[in-house]
Amino acid sequence: NAGVTQTPKFRVLKTGQSMTLLCAQDMNHEYMYWYRQDPGMGLRLIHYSVGEGTTAKGEVPDGYNVSRLKKQNFLLGLESAAPSQTSVYFCASRTPGQVTEAFFGQGTRLTVV
Amino acid sequence: RKEVEQDPGPFNVPEGATVAFNCTYSNSASQSFFWYRQDCRKEPKLLMSVYSSGNEDGRFTAQLNRASQYISLLIRDSKLSDSATYLCVLNTNAGKSTFGDGTTLTVKP
Repeated sequence: NAGVTQTPKFRVLKTGQSMTLLCAQDMNHEYMYWYRQDPGMGLRLIHYSVGEGTTAKGEVPDGYNVSRLKKQNFLLGLESAAPSQTSVYFCASRTPGQVTEAFFGQGTRLTVV
Repeated sequence: RKEVEQDPGPFNVPEGATVAFNCTYSNSASQSFFWYRQDCRKEPKLLMSVYSSGNEDGRFTAQLNRASQYISLLIRDSKLSDSATYLCVLNTNAGKSTFGDGTTLTVKP
């Protein structure tokens, strides 16, 4: 069972470069999330989506864009990477409802030099 | 003010000890609450949901106090394998899921 798959798992970018992180889930979940985790910190919500074609800002959306063109995919874009975006990025998905478990991908370790 | 506040610790306890973590929240729209566990910066995994009446799962007990806006996690008879970071999570009805910064627990022999 694949669950939630993040691509790529590791990436090194130069300042100013752009890239897209892909999150794919095969559980037919409506809700999807992108978080970043810096050393010694918890997960901070970047953007999230409650359905195909919809997105919403989280706590730290600046410098990122997202798209949810297909229900199973949630893309996170960095248009012009900055060293401050060096982090581990986690994607998660879950079904709607109050007491539903979120399933996470294994994370993408991004370094911006 | 952050939506979710956790005591970061670290908590260093001997095997067999009882330890408790708290998490306070400011968003009164928060509707459901969870504790997740994260090992060595791997992906977080659900430990347990938190119900209004309180709930127990083996050595773990979770409590919710809506009036004071906090949730708690109690671990009894700590094991070495309990060493991890514990994250509280709040969901709103609008689908937003917010994590605390986590509390680090180290259980020592």
